[in-house]
Amino acid sequence: DSGVTQTPKHLITATGQRVTLRCSPRSGDLSVYWYQQSLDQGLQFLIQYYNGEERAKGNILERFSAQQFPDLHSELNLSSLELGDSALYFCASSAGTAIYNEQFFGPGTRLTVL
Amino acid sequence: LAKTTQPISMDSYEGQEVNITCSHNNIATNDYITWYQQFPSQGPRFIIQGYKTKVTNEVASLFIPADRKSSTLSLPRVSLSDTAVYYCLVGDPTSGTYKYIFGTGTRLKVLA
Repeated sequence: DSGVTQTPKHLITATGQRVTLRCSPRSGDLSVYWYQQSLDQGLQFLIQYYNGEERAKGNILERFSAQQFPDLHSELNLSSLELGDSALYFCASSAGTAIYNEQFFGPGTRLTVL
Repeated sequence: LAKTTQPISMDSYEGQEVNITCSHNNIATNDYITWYQQFPSQGPRFIIQGYKTKVTNEVASLFIPADRKSSTLSLPRVSLSDTAVYYCLVGDPTSGTYKYIFGTGTRLKVLA
């Protein structure tokens, strides 16, 4: 158990819909990262927040947005869903902001768009 | 943009040493290179990280040449439980905003 929690574990929805994925970091960690993992794209970095502020940004689609709240939990919002958005979405947390800070990954949310 | 490539898959027998290489160009000059292990239906798990030369911990060694354009993860005496996918992780500071880039992943299968 990494100490990072993600909800829900599974999510099934239809194209065009909007969903919110939630992540609670390890106690004491200030950084939260979001990754998308699909069979054809591998692990793709989406975005990083540190203590509420956006710190790094990957190739996150404009239909996707995220935020980190004062209690440090984070939400990833996916809207106008397409079939290709079906994937595993991982949240990770770390103590600091740099790449040498070990990232602890949650169990993931499996999103299926029908 | 940093690009990372790894062999798609490798097979090994129990007790052998396994070396997995990740090729990466355009990585940040002052960044660490990190390796993660992932089992099916689980999130990746940290194995080892380094900046240059050689780093060793209780589970693996990491070799990084002076030009830092590649890194090699070495797993000594693998067991069946080491069957997993292994990823390198580097940072890419180009294109105006920092990005974390995972390698393409190497699927290691350890045979009895």
